[in-house]
Order: sequence, then C-alpha cells, then structure tokens
Amino acid sequence: GQQLNQSPQSMFIQEGEDVSMNCTSSSIFNTWLWYKQEPGEGPVLLIALYKAGELTSNGRLTAQFGITRKDSFLNISASIPSDVGIYFCAGQLRGSQGNLIFGKGTKLSVKP
Amino acid sequence: NAGVTQTPKFQVLKTGQSMTLQCAQDMNHNSMYWYRQDPGMGLRLIYYSASEGTTDKGEVPNGYNVSRLNKREFSLRLESAAPSQTSVYFCASSGHIMNTEAFFGQGTRLTVV
Repeated sequence: GQQLNQSPQSMFIQEGEDVSMNCTSSSIFNTWLWYKQEPGEGPVLLIALYKAGELTSNGRLTAQFGITRKDSFLNISASIPSDVGIYFCAGQLRGSQGNLIFGKGTKLSVKP
Repeated sequence: NAGVTQTPKFQVLKTGQSMTLQCAQDMNHNSMYWYRQDPGMGLRLIYYSASEGTTDKGEVPNGYNVSRLNKREFSLRLESAAPSQTSVYFCASSGHIMNTEAFFGQGTRLTVV
C-alpha cells in the first residue's frame, strides 16, 4: 500500500528547544494533517493543510504543505513538557476519498 | 459534548470468539471510520462509511465486518477473533467523506489470547 515516511522516529529534547519533524512520500497528496496522540487517548487534530505551499500556525506549532505535494513538516517552537506524545502525519491521496494514510509517528520526549 | 464514544475500552477474547465494538458520534457527521493501531505501524483503515447506508473496505478489512446502524452509530464486528487482531481500535468521524479532518474516539484495546 501507499506509505508515508515520517522522521525522526523519536526525539529526546530539552525544554525550550525547537522541534522539527517531517513526512515524505512518492505520491501526491491533496491534504496533509498533523495529529498528536497521548497515552491511552485517540489522536487529536493539530493542523490541517489543503494547498501546496500553505503554511499554517496553531500557537507554537507551524506546519507546511510541500510545494511538490509529496511532503509536509511540523515545527514546534519553545517546547514544554506537555508537548510529550506521539505526533502523526496523515494525508489523503489525490483522487481518493475517505482513506487517510498515516505515518508511523514521531515520539517526542521533553526533559524539564 | 462527548464527540466520538467507543465501547468497551478494554476487552480480552479467546481465539474464535466473536464480539462487536460500538462507536457513536454526536457531531452530526456523515462519515465514520474504523482504524487499528499496532506498535510502530501508525493507524490503518479497516472500513469506512461515507454516509448512512454505505460502507467500504479500507486497507485491512479481512476478518472484520461493519454496520452503519444509523447516522450516529458505526459498529465493527469480529466474527472469529484471531491473535493477529490484538490491537487498539479507533473509531473516527468527519463531516463528509471529502473532509479529512477526522475526530477520534479514545480507542478500544483488544487482546486475543
């Protein structure tokens, strides 16, 4: 099946540092989404991107839809302990409906 | 405002047993989805329902059946559970099939022994 390559798999950072993670694919996507999942919970939508080149912020989070439509990145500025969790990218392929393809996640740990 | 509610939260089954996972949403969404999440695998789509009365297979439908009972409810049934179906199952909903901003339930952790 289609795959999203999400990196890095895990990150251990100090509180206050900035974080960057990304997803790439060989396929073209119409939509890119970024979710955060905390232990024992379902994923929660952070940012949705719909246009190539779109740059969207949500507080300390910023995400961009790549110009080629094959990639996206998420930045977190000035990390805090509550940023801990697993971050997933998800995309909807061009020409498909209903099927979000998820990356394997980036596990973020923040040291106070 | 409950959003997406899944029951049960935890379940242990013996191989060959059957069970139904329940999901209900109160956001008046048209589309609903069932995903499974395995360690290191991200989420994979099992089945989805674009609207009331329709269901379609996702990436990993084998061993599962679904029912879109009404607009609010979408159930997932395992007819004969297998250890390979040990996973965390998430139900999600979105406004319509082309609106990919899906809202997820808290998950059902299923163990098949």
